[in-house]
Amino acid sequence: AQKVTQAQTEISVVEKEDVTLDCVYETRDTTYYLFWYKQPPSGELVFLIRRNSFDEQNEISGRYSWNFQKSTSSFNFTITASQVVDSAVYFCALSTPNFGNEKLTFGTGTRLTIIP
Amino acid sequence: NAGVMQNPRHLVRRRGQEARLRCSPMKGHSHVYWYRQLPEEGLKFMVYLQKENIIDESGMPKERFSAEFPKEGPSILRIQQVVRGDSAAYFCASSPLGQGDQTNYGYTFGSGTRLTVV
Repeated sequence: AQKVTQAQTEISVVEKEDVTLDCVYETRDTTYYLFWYKQPPSGELVFLIRRNSFDEQNEISGRYSWNFQKSTSSFNFTITASQVVDSAVYFCALSTPNFGNEKLTFGTGTRLTIIP
Repeated sequence: NAGVMQNPRHLVRRRGQEARLRCSPMKGHSHVYWYRQLPEEGLKFMVYLQKENIIDESGMPKERFSAEFPKEGPSILRIQQVVRGDSAAYFCASSPLGQGDQTNYGYTFGSGTRLTVV
């Protein structure tokens, strides 16, 4: 069975601070994909990143960076120089594709509030 | 190229009524997934469909819930005799066939339908 744990329920930081959102996953499959989604107050889901289990290189996209460590089953997300627009709920998710079935297992989310 | 279209955006039903939620996948996408997000919780997988076939319904409640993806038209998630506990946001996602490790990831979510049962 797959499981994704986001232990941080809520985080508040002052604008321009850096913040890291933690994600720990469990799976017995050797091939899997990890994701981060952003859900702003408007409610839609915004895709941020997809990373496969064979690629442990860290990724940077502007102020966003992701640290994937298979040794600790973690896929953490860091926002540098946070902005008020980063306020949202962030979800980490896992999929283990099986004959084309790409259903996602989501964590419970971390609500991030950026204080101006 | 329109994204995944879900309608209605908001739906209010009285207890005991039926709720029908529609999802039109992106053009060229043949796989549809439905998820439910209860208040203050993460999304939970419900069902995975391809055209005219239910492939995985392991997340569907055993009673009152059904889903279909006909040859023509949108995918429909139907909830019969709704109860207060069905109040949630229901998201649909679509993807093309056999994505594998494509660089241009095509798994796309709709904006969701917020169901309120009064």
